[in-house]
Amino acid sequence: SQQGEEDPQALSIQEGENATMNCSYKTSINNLQWYRQNSGRGLVHLILIRSNEREKHSGRLRVTLDTSKKSSSLLITASRAADTASNFCAVNDYKLSFGAGTTVTVRA
Amino acid sequence: EPEVTQTPSHQVTQMGQEVILRCVPISNHLYFYWYRQILGQKVEFLVSFYNNEISEKSEIFDDQFSVERPDGSNFTLKIRSTKLEDSAMYFCASSEGLFSYNEQFFGPGTRLTVL
Repeated sequence: SQQGEEDPQALSIQEGENATMNCSYKTSINNLQWYRQNSGRGLVHLILIRSNEREKHSGRLRVTLDTSKKSSSLLITASRAADTASNFCAVNDYKLSFGAGTTVTVRA
Repeated sequence: EPEVTQTPSHQVTQMGQEVILRCVPISNHLYFYWYRQILGQKVEFLVSFYNNEISEKSEIFDDQFSVERPDGSNFTLKIRSTKLEDSAMYFCASSEGLFSYNEQFFGPGTRLTVL
């Protein structure tokens, strides 16, 4: 089955900077979801973007979806220390298939 | 805001013992899931459950695993005879509607340690 694959694997930025991470997948999807996981904690849902949507915003988060390229991006603007976490994209057929994630470290 | 809860937060057991992990999904949700994450690895799907039966299961979900909704609120994962490699974080999730179209809400997880 397919899964999302995130790129880069890790990202280190200064507080206040923006962070962009990408996700690629292989087959057609109904929707793509981004989740966050703080170290050793549970998964928090960030954004769901449907296959007929191209862009979605939620607070400081912006997600794009390009179904022709089978890719999505997550932009975190004006990063804060609390954004230090692993971010995962997950493609949804009958289950969520997660990639290995992008670990974001925000330096004070 | 409603949330998925899981108990216990940490379970330590001896190899060969049975464990039951408990979850209370969000009350109006109809679809329930278990995932696991071995330390340092990806989150992996185990099973989905709808209308009191298993909808889908992965290769991981062998005969040692079972799920149940014993009453109107709890959703449990039982591992009959635990192995060392069952040590992982187990996440329960639920969704309001059909999994293809709806976000899944995850619980905080149960860390299972098999000694």
